[in-house]
Amino acid sequence: GENVEQHPSTLSVQEGDSAVIKCTYSDSASNYFPWYKQELGKGPQLIIDIRSNVGEKKDQRIAVTLNKTAKHFSLHITETQPEDSAVYFCAASMNGYALNFGKGTSLLVTP
Amino acid sequence: ETGVTQSPTHLIKTRGQQVTLRCSSQSGHNTVSWYQQALGQGPQFIFQYYREEENGRGNFPPRFSGLQFPNYSSELNVNALELDDSALYLCASGEDSYNEQFFGPGTRLTVL
Repeated sequence: GENVEQHPSTLSVQEGDSAVIKCTYSDSASNYFPWYKQELGKGPQLIIDIRSNVGEKKDQRIAVTLNKTAKHFSLHITETQPEDSAVYFCAASMNGYALNFGKGTSLLVTP
Repeated sequence: ETGVTQSPTHLIKTRGQQVTLRCSSQSGHNTVSWYQQALGQGPQFIFQYYREEENGRGNFPPRFSGLQFPNYSSELNVNALELDDSALYLCASGEDSYNEQFFGPGTRLTVL
């Protein structure tokens, strides 16, 4: 089955700096790659997603890049704010619903 | 808020017992998926229901079963509970299998 590796497991940045989280996947049939933010006591919330026919997608301070050849995708957060502090998960899916998640990155943004 | 609710928020059971967890989806959402999230891990896909039929299953044994009802509510049933079943159980709903899945806040199950 699909295996998703996510790095780093923890990331600490200063407010205003950029944060980058990287994921690799194993199954070349995967074609949907969402990123979720999970705050304490809450369920994951979709922040951005990308499909395999697109190489890059941006939404305000958040961007995702996908390299299908290398089977990796990355989340970029610019101008980080303390409220960006949370656990971030990448996921990959072949069918859109059975999401295979990475183990998560705990992001801490310090003022 | 995603409009997806789950009950109860916390639950404590003993090994060997059975448990039913509930999820209420947004109106118009035809799919509901269930995930198990162990502490410090990413969610793992259990199964998905589409219009009341199981539509796909992850690597979970048959003692994990589900139901989806026409009123956008659904259940996850787990029989013969084991200690390793202790986790946060999340449901996620969507219009169909190819659009955004909205997650609920989860039910924290502890098996003693």
